[in-house]
Amino acid sequence: QVQLVQSGPEVKKPGASVKISCQASGYTFVDYYIHWVRQAPGQGLEWMGVNNPSAGSTRLAQKFQGGVTMTSDTSTRTVYLEFNSLKFDDTAVYYCARDRGYDDWFDTWGQGTLVTVSS
Amino acid sequence: DIQMTQSPSVMSASVGDRVTITCRASQDISNHLAWFQQKSGRVPQRLIYAASSLQSGVPSRFSGSGSGTEFTLTINSLQPEDFATYYCLQHNSYPLTFGGGTKVEIK
Repeated sequence: QVQLVQSGPEVKKPGASVKISCQASGYTFVDYYIHWVRQAPGQGLEWMGVNNPSAGSTRLAQKFQGGVTMTSDTSTRTVYLEFNSLKFDDTAVYYCARDRGYDDWFDTWGQGTLVTVSS
Repeated sequence: DIQMTQSPSVMSASVGDRVTITCRASQDISNHLAWFQQKSGRVPQRLIYAASSLQSGVPSRFSGSGSGTEFTLTINSLQPEDFATYYCLQHNSYPLTFGGGTKVEIK
């Protein structure tokens, strides 16, 4: 069945980097974009950006430009979200979700990865 | 950027009630809107896509309507498992934007 499986929780210090992953299965990987959504503790959902595994391209929300990188590896069917210098307010659960337009927007989500930034 | 204004932010309701949640877009988004349910500590689940199409497996008491700038999620005969937070998402243009969420609490 269609699944997005994310990597496990991370605990990092401010200024550190972290790379979390989202591995797809059960569908043609390059046919779908992968989005990343952030949810800070007790807060709502926030769209961060989208990766196109077929083209290897990324579009980021302005807020995250310069602070995060999204990449993909078609050989492992995995999309990555990397932070280069974590801040305390990056503490959140990060979800990946897929879409290919039409009626498939965000029909499948990963289970979420908790990133905790603490000194 | 398109702003999505969702209301109310919190509501109290009883089992059996009819619940209506609204999302208003700051500009025309056609029917490029989805609704999600998120229970505490769980992954969001899609309920409605294309503004009014019911996701497979979702109970028929959930329905969506609207187009352009005004959208509604209706839950007919609220059930105990429906107490959760609901979000709308516009995917008409980037950056995608979510509504602020509506928490449906037990009265």
